Amino acid sequence: EAGVAQSPRYKIIEKRQSVAFWCNPISGHATLYWYQQILGQGPKLLIQFQNNGVVDDSQLPKDRFSAERLKGVDSTLKIQPAKLEDSAVYLCASSLAQLTRGPTEAFFGQGTRLTVV
Amino acid sequence: GQQVMQIPQYQHVQEGEDFTTYCNSSTTLSNIQWYKQRPGGHPVFLIQLVKSGEVKKQKRLTFQFGEAKKNSSLHITATQTTDVGTYFCAGSTGNQFYFGTGTSLTVIP
Repeated sequence: EAGVAQSPRYKIIEKRQSVAFWCNPISGHATLYWYQQILGQGPKLLIQFQNNGVVDDSQLPKDRFSAERLKGVDSTLKIQPAKLEDSAVYLCASSLAQLTRGPTEAFFGQGTRLTVV
Repeated sequence: GQQVMQIPQYQHVQEGEDFTTYCNSSTTLSNIQWYKQRPGGHPVFLIQLVKSGEVKKQKRLTFQFGEAKKNSSLHITATQTTDVGTYFCAGSTGNQFYFGTGTSLTVIP
């Protein structure tokens, strides 16, 4: 079974530039998560999709971050404009979880390491 | 958002010693998951606990969910160098789960 695919693996940009990350979840997984992990901290949930609908985006800085999952499969996360404090690893995860049954095991991708200079 | 704290933040043990990390939530959880993240890697699922007072074992790892469903622990017996990494709990009150602060384990050979 193929895992969660993310690209790019690494990205270096200057502050105020924009950047986009791509995630392809495991086939058949309805739920997709984007997490931000700053060095030395636990992953912070940015947004959760159930198919192509947003379940939770309460911690997404909506003035600069946006995410979409148009066909309920792969997803993109965009930052525009980037700030220095956005430097982190952006992790995508997917799971079989359905809203009526609660969360199940999440499978993570390798992540995209973003450095903003 | 939901607050999930873990202690200790760091733990250094001699190979063969035991290790325990504790997870505490500010709210009652519906379930809790545990993940392991190796240095430079991504979180890998270990287990999910759902019932109050539940105890599950995986070889040398023992997971507990508190009676009040607000805390959990992971105990590793006789640590090995392969146990090195950061252990995260992730608590859920609905369909989202929020990661704790993590405990970084170093095993000294």
